[in-house]
Amino acid sequence: KNQVEQSPQSLIILEGKNCTLQCNYTVSPFSNLRWYKQDTGRGPVSLTIMTFSENTKSNGRYTATLDADTKQSSLHITASQLSDSASYICVVSAGYNTDKLIFGTGTRLQVFP
Amino acid sequence: EAGVVQSPRYKIIEKKQPVAFWCNPISGHNTLYWYLQNLGQGPELLIRYENEEAVDDSQLPKDRFSAERLKGVDSTLKIQPAELGDSAVYLCASSLGLLPHEQFFGPGTRLTVL
Repeated sequence: KNQVEQSPQSLIILEGKNCTLQCNYTVSPFSNLRWYKQDTGRGPVSLTIMTFSENTKSNGRYTATLDADTKQSSLHITASQLSDSASYICVVSAGYNTDKLIFGTGTRLQVFP
Repeated sequence: EAGVVQSPRYKIIEKKQPVAFWCNPISGHNTLYWYLQNLGQGPELLIRYENEEAVDDSQLPKDRFSAERLKGVDSTLKIQPAELGDSAVYLCASSLGLLPHEQFFGPGTRLTVL
């Protein structure tokens, strides 16, 4: 069964600190992995998309890594800001040349001053 | 460039009443998706359109849910009659239909069924 699991479920950090969110997947065949940020009351916004051959991709203070062998990904947030408070959803595309997405349940991040 | 537009943003209805949601995708995006998102969960696909054709509606509860995209642009999702368990956020997304099929999401419609 295609599945995407994220940890932790929720996380609280202080402003300026770094944090890392984890994603494990069992999706086959694998096409690409995405990280989305979803602010409360808004739709998800794409942060990064990585294909099988990419190990890391950055978007400002967000850096995603992918280990296709162990089927793990992480999202590292550097020097967190209050505006980083959101849910971060790991999404895996299942299949070649397809837009079928398998969504994780997300990690709820809260950044406090 | 305008993003995906959805309306209404919020809707409160009593059970057994009908409700409809509207979505206008990004201009030029031929693929449109409707998702359901329960609190604390990731989105779940309800239906996917390629232009005006519904190419994946396997997860749409067809006894009470219907959708249309008559001219291949904007789309409407309807529930009739609504049940308490339908309370959720209904997200619309669109994409160009090209690899890597990046999907752009609208703000969603939060439905509360009383």
